[in-house]
Amino acid sequence: KAGVTQTPRYLIKTRGQQVTLSCSPISGHRSVSWYQQTPGQGLQFLFEYFSETQRNKGNFPGRFSGRQFSNSRSEMNVSTLELGDSALYLCASSSYGTSGVYHEQYFGPGTRLTVT
Amino acid sequence: DQQVKQNSPSLSVQEGRISILNCDYTNSMFDYFLWYKKYPAEGPTFLISISSIKDKNEDGRFTVFLNKSAKHLSLHIVPSQPGDSAVYFCAALSGTYKYIFGTGTRLKVLA
Repeated sequence: KAGVTQTPRYLIKTRGQQVTLSCSPISGHRSVSWYQQTPGQGLQFLFEYFSETQRNKGNFPGRFSGRQFSNSRSEMNVSTLELGDSALYLCASSSYGTSGVYHEQYFGPGTRLTVT
Repeated sequence: DQQVKQNSPSLSVQEGRISILNCDYTNSMFDYFLWYKKYPAEGPTFLISISSIKDKNEDGRFTVFLNKSAKHLSLHIVPSQPGDSAVYFCAALSGTYKYIFGTGTRLKVLA
């Protein structure tokens, strides 16, 4: 089974620009979560999608948005980029549905975003 | 407000000895906990998990202990191997669908 894939792997943008990151989950997984990783901050939760619906959101400004498509692929968008948005953005998929049974998340390799 | 804390940013252990990584949490409503391992340039890899109805879970060389009264969990790796050198994150499930991660502990296993 193919793992979680993220594109692009590396990205350099300028302050004020916008960026779109893409994530393809493991086949059959309908839950996709996004995280921001910066040095010393661990993984900060951005949002989680299931069946094209955002079910939970972290404490990030509205410049960070996402969506999920009917095939469970997800995109994350950051508008009006700031220097502090430079980070590794990780996507994770899970078979966690609505049954309430706990499931682990499987992560992609991440997209390294550098804002100059 | 960091609800999941890993207070040791780094740890060095001799090969063959036990590695103990610690994690504290503040929210008594957390009921599922996980450990992940992360190598450079890769995403985190799931290691082991534990539900709050248990106090111990083992998988090969990895054992996770949960002390609910102290709001503390730990990951034991026995015996430690050089390939275990990585950053380890603990995570807690908050309500539904949201995992909260600690800041990570960098483990270095010395040959």
